[in-house]
Amino acid sequence: AQSVTQLDSHVSVSEGTPVLLRCNYSSSYSPSLFWYVQHPNKGLQLLLKYTSAATLVKGINGFEAEFKKSETSFHLTKPSAHMSDAAEYFCVVSDKGGSYIPTFGRGTSLIVHP
Amino acid sequence: EAGVAQSPRYKIIEKRQSVAFWCNPISGHATLYWYQQILGQGPKLLIQFQNNGVVDDSQLPKDRFSAERLKGVDSTLKIQPAKLEDSAVYLCASTKTPNNEQFFGPGTRLTVL
Repeated sequence: AQSVTQLDSHVSVSEGTPVLLRCNYSSSYSPSLFWYVQHPNKGLQLLLKYTSAATLVKGINGFEAEFKKSETSFHLTKPSAHMSDAAEYFCVVSDKGGSYIPTFGRGTSLIVHP
Repeated sequence: EAGVAQSPRYKIIEKRQSVAFWCNPISGHATLYWYQQILGQGPKLLIQFQNNGVVDDSQLPKDRFSAERLKGVDSTLKIQPAKLEDSAVYLCASTKTPNNEQFFGPGTRLTVL
């Protein structure tokens, strides 16, 4: 069965410093992996997705993630945090063994200090 | 292109009462999902439809929750009777095909007193 673990419930950074949000997955097949963002009182929005093409995936707002099969990881990064990046971030996995039914991580709350 | 529509946006009910939520997905999206998001947690999939058929409902508490998508377009989720622990945001999402980007509606915030 597929699963996803977001290793940090909260990440705190200063504006202008790098962001790293960690995600590990478990899948018996070639997984598809997604990162979604949820701003306060707003709907969930896709940041980026990996579906077995290039392992380094670029998303919106300067975010990117690298699929590392050997480490079963799909960490989300951004070189320089902006105040507007403060939000909840969710890593999602799906695979054909699970009929592509998506499984969400518990979420990581990103706090950005001025 | 219109997004995923949900109504109502907010609902407050007493425990043991019934409630229904409605979702209209993006036109042409065959796959529809209902999630329950409890405060501080990630969305939990309740049910996934492909057109009007159920792909997965393994996490749907079937003794009190039901969902339908009769014409393969809009969908309703019902809770009867509600419990205190059902207080959550209920999210609807749709995709053109499974394993694709999900488009989420604004959610319905349910409070059970």
